Amino acid sequence: NAGVTQTPKFQVLKTGQSMTLQCAQDMNHNSMYWYRQDPGMGLRLIYYSASEGTTDKGEVPNGYNVSRLNKREFSLRLESAAPSQTSVYFCASSFGQGVDTIYFGEGSWLTVV
Amino acid sequence: QKEVEQDPGPLSVPEGAIVSLNCTYSNSAFQYFMWYRQYSRKGPELLMYTYSSGNKEDGRFTAQVDKSSKYISLFIRDSQPSDSATYLCAMLGSGEYGNKLVFGAGTILRVKS
Repeated sequence: NAGVTQTPKFQVLKTGQSMTLQCAQDMNHNSMYWYRQDPGMGLRLIYYSASEGTTDKGEVPNGYNVSRLNKREFSLRLESAAPSQTSVYFCASSFGQGVDTIYFGEGSWLTVV
Repeated sequence: QKEVEQDPGPLSVPEGAIVSLNCTYSNSAFQYFMWYRQYSRKGPELLMYTYSSGNKEDGRFTAQVDKSSKYISLFIRDSQPSDSATYLCAMLGSGEYGNKLVFGAGTILRVKS
């Protein structure tokens, strides 16, 4: 039972470098999400995709782009990494939106130096 | 002011104690209230959720919602070392982010054997 799989688990970037966080789910879920988690801030929504072919901004979208490649995959791209983007990133998915249970991946630890 | 406030702890209790975890919120439009548990270096997992005011019990866990006070609680009876984790409250929001979860910062719980 893979659930939500994120790669890479750990990454160190230099300021200005770009990278893509990959996420895939095998639960046939329609909705997918990217969150970041910072100490004292909780989980904050970066972008979400309610269904294949659609993406929308969340609470903290600046500096990020996303692609819903197909129903299974939802990637998060940092075009020009900044130290403020040092965080733990979680991908998540759910069948619908609202109260449907959201399943989280195990997280990607990103450090920008 | 954050929409959801949660004391970050850490909260340290002896095994067998009753634990009370709490969140306050400001948005009266919240209707669904969730509790997530997050073990170290793992993604959050849904523990339970309630709709509107009232109590809900699941084994050793009881969730309580008081909408008049904008206050929610999670009680853990007969706490075990395996309950040691970060507990995040979450609420289903509306408005500019649509029906998206808004998370508290999380409370770190340590149960000592």
